[in-house]
Amino acid sequence: QITLKESGPTLVKPTQTLTLTCTFSGFSLSTSGVGVGWIRQPPGKALEWLALIYWNDDKRYSPSLKSRLTITKDTSKNQVVLTMTNMDPVDTATYYCAHSPDYGSGSDVWGKGTTVTVSS
Amino acid sequence: QSVLTQPPSASGTPGQRVTISCSGSSSNIGSNYVYWYQQLPGTAPKLLIYRNNQRPSGVPDRFSGSKSGTSASLAISGLRSEDEADYYCAAWDDSLSAYVVFGGGTKLTVL
Repeated sequence: QITLKESGPTLVKPTQTLTLTCTFSGFSLSTSGVGVGWIRQPPGKALEWLALIYWNDDKRYSPSLKSRLTITKDTSKNQVVLTMTNMDPVDTATYYCAHSPDYGSGSDVWGKGTTVTVSS
Repeated sequence: QSVLTQPPSASGTPGQRVTISCSGSSSNIGSNYVYWYQQLPGTAPKLLIYRNNQRPSGVPDRFSGSKSGTSASLAISGLRSEDEADYYCAAWDDSLSAYVVFGGGTKLTVL
């Protein structure tokens, strides 16, 4: 059974850097084709895809946020970390991590999400 | 502004069949698979359809997906009250470095 859980601060100040951790079980990020991605959803708004990292360390980013995002993995810890720099109140959202079973596929299993508020 | 275009709302009565459209372009829907997600209030999205028309195990066959050219559709037959949710389409986009794009979501109301 695949599970993912997001963790990180619930409140960050404007201009700060956000660091979120996705801890997963039920699969390995060393398995060919597998990836873990991040998606966010501002309150009352649509889903927005952020980034994804594959088993081979191939990384994909949203073009509009690429300059602010970094995604890394720690295979031994079953974790994926997303950092987002220069946080702004518009970045207030629920952040989800999700499993991707194949190269170029969609996410099939999602975590429950973690809510991040950006405010001074 | 989402890259994929969905109607903001849809509605139907119990037992009816409803469809939700998702319009894109040649760089996303036109050349990649479409995925559909259901998001019940206060919960994380759940995969409903993958690779245009495939259902994960556990998803009722009342849900079906199709794709034609640069558009896709989700159909729900035998509408039930528990289908009231937000529905999102998604696809990979090859226009820049490959990345995923979502639709703006469609809120389905069961009257």
